[in-house]
Amino acid sequence: NAGVTQTPKFQVLKTGQSMTLQCAQDMNHNSMYWYRQDPGMGLRLIYYSASEGTTDKGEVPNGYNVSRLNKREFSLRLESAAPSQTSVYFCASSESFKAFFGQGTRLTVV
Amino acid sequence: QKEVEQNSGPLSVPEGAIASLNCTYSDRGSQSFFWYRQYSGKSPELIMSIYSNGDKEDGRFTAQLNKASQYVSLLIRDSQPSDSATYLCAVISSGGSYIPTFGRGTSLIVHP
Repeated sequence: NAGVTQTPKFQVLKTGQSMTLQCAQDMNHNSMYWYRQDPGMGLRLIYYSASEGTTDKGEVPNGYNVSRLNKREFSLRLESAAPSQTSVYFCASSESFKAFFGQGTRLTVV
Repeated sequence: QKEVEQNSGPLSVPEGAIASLNCTYSDRGSQSFFWYRQYSGKSPELIMSIYSNGDKEDGRFTAQLNKASQYVSLLIRDSQPSDSATYLCAVISSGGSYIPTFGRGTSLIVHP
């Protein structure tokens, strides 16, 4: 059982570069989320998708875009990376409000 | 802003003791409550859920919910060094979006 799979696990970007974080789940969940986790700040919601074809902003959406490609896949794009986006990014999917997380992407923007 | 508050710790307990972790939330209409465990460098994993007032036990873990006082707690009995981790409280608030809002987590250290 793969669960929630994120790629890549680690990434270093230069300021201004763009990249897409990929997330896929094989649990047939409708809801998917992108969180970022910074020291002392807990998990903060960037974007979420309640179902295929819908996306909504969370607490910290600035500088990010998302695509819910199909029921399985939910990607997060940084169009022009900034040092403030250095963080650990977690994708999650949920069923009955219980969240299941991917292994995370550790992103450093220099 | 719907808030979930936790003491960041660290909470240090000796092996074999009871660890008590607390969480308060601001949205009185919240209905579902969860505890996640996160080891250093790993992703959060769900360990307990509770939906109604009272206690819910699962092995060494007991979740307690008091909606009138707006707090939820997690007790870990017979704490082991392997329980050393950060524990995140998550709340599903009212309003229809059903998105988990997480506290900042409490770091637990169980020392031999």
